[in-house]
Amino acid sequence: ETGVTQSPTHLIKTRGQQVTLRCSSQSGHNTVSWYQQALGQGPQFIFQYYREEENGRGNFPPRFSGLQFPNYSSELNVNALELDDSALYLCASSPLSGSTADTQYFGPGTRLTVL
Amino acid sequence: AQSVSQHNHHVILSEAASLELGCNYSYGGTVNLFWYVQYPGQHLQLLLKYFSGDPLVKGIKGFEAEFIKSKFSFNLRKPSVQWSDTAEYFCAVNAGTGNQFYFGTGTSLTVIP
Repeated sequence: ETGVTQSPTHLIKTRGQQVTLRCSSQSGHNTVSWYQQALGQGPQFIFQYYREEENGRGNFPPRFSGLQFPNYSSELNVNALELDDSALYLCASSPLSGSTADTQYFGPGTRLTVL
Repeated sequence: AQSVSQHNHHVILSEAASLELGCNYSYGGTVNLFWYVQYPGQHLQLLLKYFSGDPLVKGIKGFEAEFIKSKFSFNLRKPSVQWSDTAEYFCAVNAGTGNQFYFGTGTSLTVIP
């Protein structure tokens, strides 16, 4: 069974730019969640997608947006990057009902640095 | 705002010592509770979870956690730790409404052989 994969591994952007991060869910999983993990902190929930619709959102501004595709791969888009957006971005997929209460399977993350 | 507190930021134990990691949450409604673990160089993975029923939950690798509703706590325990338990441990809460999910800041456990 293929696990959750994320690309790219590392990314460097400058303030004001836009970035797209990608996630490929584990086979058979129809739900994906995205998290931001700043250094020394726990992951913070950005949002969840279930069947291509946003299905729960954390306390993040609208410049954080996402997409889920019919093959259940997903993108996280961040516009107008700020220095504080520098973090590890984690993607997690789960197999069932579009709830964050399902067991989540995490990818390795994308390390974003904003200069 | 809902929050999850892990009071122990870094714990160092010798092998065979007992472990207890604290977790408290602030949410008055229905919650589902989790412990996730990240071993060095690996992805976050589920250790155990509590939804309802018996407040003492058993997970993988000999870990268990007890849900005490009156104390808003979900502490993780293991009677005898091994060197391979060295990892970062995260407590997490799913708050029923709004499909929100909250992680604590994590506890780094180092087990000395």
